Amino acid sequence: GQNIDQPTEMTATEGAIVQINCTYQTSGFNGLFWYQQHAGEAPTFLSYNVLDGLEEKGRFSSFLSRSKGYSYLLLKELQMKDSASYLCAVSPGNTPLVFGKGTRLSVIA
Amino acid sequence: DSGVTQTPKHLITATGQRVTLRCSPRSGDLSVYWYQQSLDQGLQFLIQYYNGEERAKGNILERFSAQQFPDLHSELNLSSLELGDSALYFCASSVRTGGYNEQFFGPGTRLTVL
Repeated sequence: GQNIDQPTEMTATEGAIVQINCTYQTSGFNGLFWYQQHAGEAPTFLSYNVLDGLEEKGRFSSFLSRSKGYSYLLLKELQMKDSASYLCAVSPGNTPLVFGKGTRLSVIA
Repeated sequence: DSGVTQTPKHLITATGQRVTLRCSPRSGDLSVYWYQQSLDQGLQFLIQYYNGEERAKGNILERFSAQQFPDLHSELNLSSLELGDSALYFCASSVRTGGYNEQFFGPGTRLTVL
C-alpha cells in the first residue's frame, strides 16, 4: 500500500526556522514533492527531490533520504505569510501522486 | 496563475441534485486529476484521465463520474448530492502520468450542498 505520514499541526515564531518532516512507504519511488496550500486556495509547488540530499531554494530547503523513506521541508526566516498547510506527495512511478494529509503551520509573532 | 481553469468558482445546490464541474488543463498537459478536499481534510484523489482515457481511480463514489473530452478539458459530474459532498473540488493537470509529474492545480470549485 501507500502511506505518507506528516505531523498534523506545528506552530513557530516569526523569524525562526521550522522543519516539517515526512515519512513515506510506497510501492515505488520516482520523486517527492512539497506543496504549499493556503486556506481555501489551490496547492502550489514548492520543491521536488528525487536524489538523496538537500535542495535549496531561497528561504525553503527540502531534504530527501530514500533509504530511510524520509524527507523534510525547512523554512527559514519565517514570515506570517508562511502560515499555511504543507503537503508532502510521493510519485510512486507510473501512477498519480500520493499526498499526505498535510501539516498546518501557524506562524505567530 | 497555474494555467489550469475551473468553473464555476462557487456552486450552491440542494440535496438530491446533480451538478457538473468543469476543468481546462494547462496547454500541452495530457493528464487531468480530480480531488476532493473537505473542511480541514487532506486532498482525496478521485480520478485521473490521460489523453481522453481513464487512467487511475481513487476514492470516487459511484454517484460521481468524470470524463475527458477530445480537446482535453474534463468534467466531473456529481449526482444525488448529499450534505457530506460539500467540499472544495480541485482539478490538476500534468504533462505526463509518471516520472517527474508535477501537478498544477486549478483554483477549485467550492460546492455547498444545503
